[in-house]
Amino acid sequence: GAVVSQHPSRVICKSGTSVKIECRSLDFQATTMFWYRQFPKQSLMLMATSNEGSKATYEQGVEKDKFLINHASLTLSTLTVTSAHPEDSSFYICSASALTGRGSGNVLTFGAGSRLTVL
Amino acid sequence: KNQVEQSPQSLIILEGKNCTLQCNYTVSPFSNLRWYKQDTGRGPVSLTIMTFSENTKSNGRYTATLDADTKQSSLHITASQLSDSASYICVVIGYNFNKFYFGSGTKLNVKP
Repeated sequence: GAVVSQHPSRVICKSGTSVKIECRSLDFQATTMFWYRQFPKQSLMLMATSNEGSKATYEQGVEKDKFLINHASLTLSTLTVTSAHPEDSSFYICSASALTGRGSGNVLTFGAGSRLTVL
Repeated sequence: KNQVEQSPQSLIILEGKNCTLQCNYTVSPFSNLRWYKQDTGRGPVSLTIMTFSENTKSNGRYTATLDADTKQSSLHITASQLSDSASYICVVIGYNFNKFYFGSGTKLNVKP
């Protein structure tokens, strides 16, 4: 259980175009979703946290107008990289969280990641 | 400030050897602590989940320990294999389950 599907796994786009990445919780309802980016050989960097039905909370230094996050339902969140540039090339990962009511308290599952290359 | 510190930053060991990764945290109060394994180019995968009342939990060759008094956790890998080469991330979840604090990870390289 607790599977998170992230799509696409790889995307190549031209500079100036927009790219949308989807993150779906397949077998649970995710009250909170997180988006990260990761540069080669570096650790995960949290970009934003989104709760279903409300605006995302962005980390300091992350441009909210460039990285649009939508969490319209309890099973789907999307990250749109607008007007992408080569420096936006990175590995983007989502994770989804939900309270389970069991001992460990909640689920925190990561997607497999999306490799974005902007030419 | 709530923080999670992992050490070492990177580690190289020979196949078959054991190793221990450390995670020190200042998050308080907290609900549980998790260890994840992240293979290169993949999303992190959960290894262990421990509540504040648990001291140890095993998952195959992986054994996590937790000392809530000293706010320290360790992940011990026994008889390492080449496939253990990955980054290992410690995550501490705050008391209300709505705050997640990530360590920067330990990159493990197992050599033949």
